[in-house]
Amino acid sequence: QAVLTQPSSLSASPGASASLTCTLRSGINVGTYRIYWYQQKPGSPPQYLLRYKSDSDKQQGSGVPSRFSGSKDASANAGILLISGLQSEDEADYYCMIWHSSVWVFGGGTKLTVL
Amino acid sequence: EVQLVESGGGLVQPGGSLRLSCGVSGFTVSSNYMSWVRQAPGKGLEWVSAIYSGGNTYYADSVKGRFTISRDDSKNTLYLQMNSLRAEDTAVYYCTRDHDYWGQGTLVTVSS
Repeated sequence: QAVLTQPSSLSASPGASASLTCTLRSGINVGTYRIYWYQQKPGSPPQYLLRYKSDSDKQQGSGVPSRFSGSKDASANAGILLISGLQSEDEADYYCMIWHSSVWVFGGGTKLTVL
Repeated sequence: EVQLVESGGGLVQPGGSLRLSCGVSGFTVSSNYMSWVRQAPGKGLEWVSAIYSGGNTYYADSVKGRFTISRDDSKNTLYLQMNSLRAEDTAVYYCTRDHDYWGQGTLVTVSS
């Protein structure tokens, strides 16, 4: 079982909100991790969006709009990237990442389609 | 302005070697946490290696013993020495500063 699991795709309408999940493998407690989120558009390097551990331990990437926010769902053992007020330019691949057992681990990524 | 520019990619035969460089501006490599992350064609991101400001290094299991991360403080440059290359090492290799700033990447193709 992968350390981080993301749904391969998600679709949402312009103006709506999209909740992207990053589920940690059973036995790895989401509460103890900072979860990093990246956006990647075709042909471009990933862009750092934010990191989130708790409301008192979070960081927004430089220039990243506040409509991108992080949270956790402890019951689902998952990190969440919430994008509100979806715009066509938000269509991209999104990756989560954690530091686990002395290595950085990425999720497989979610392709977000805005239509 | 923070900038990272990778170079050194190219076509190499299986079993061959390549050294990637990451030249930076706007900050000092030796004072920052630096990483290499790769992305195989059409695939997701994979962390490869990192070096802390104190010099500690870390590697993904997939490259341990074959790749070496280093830096030249006098040139303010980060390196990735890649030996015993395999077809599965084919990817765009990105250099990052603390995972917040990224270069544009350099393509490494391992093929006969």
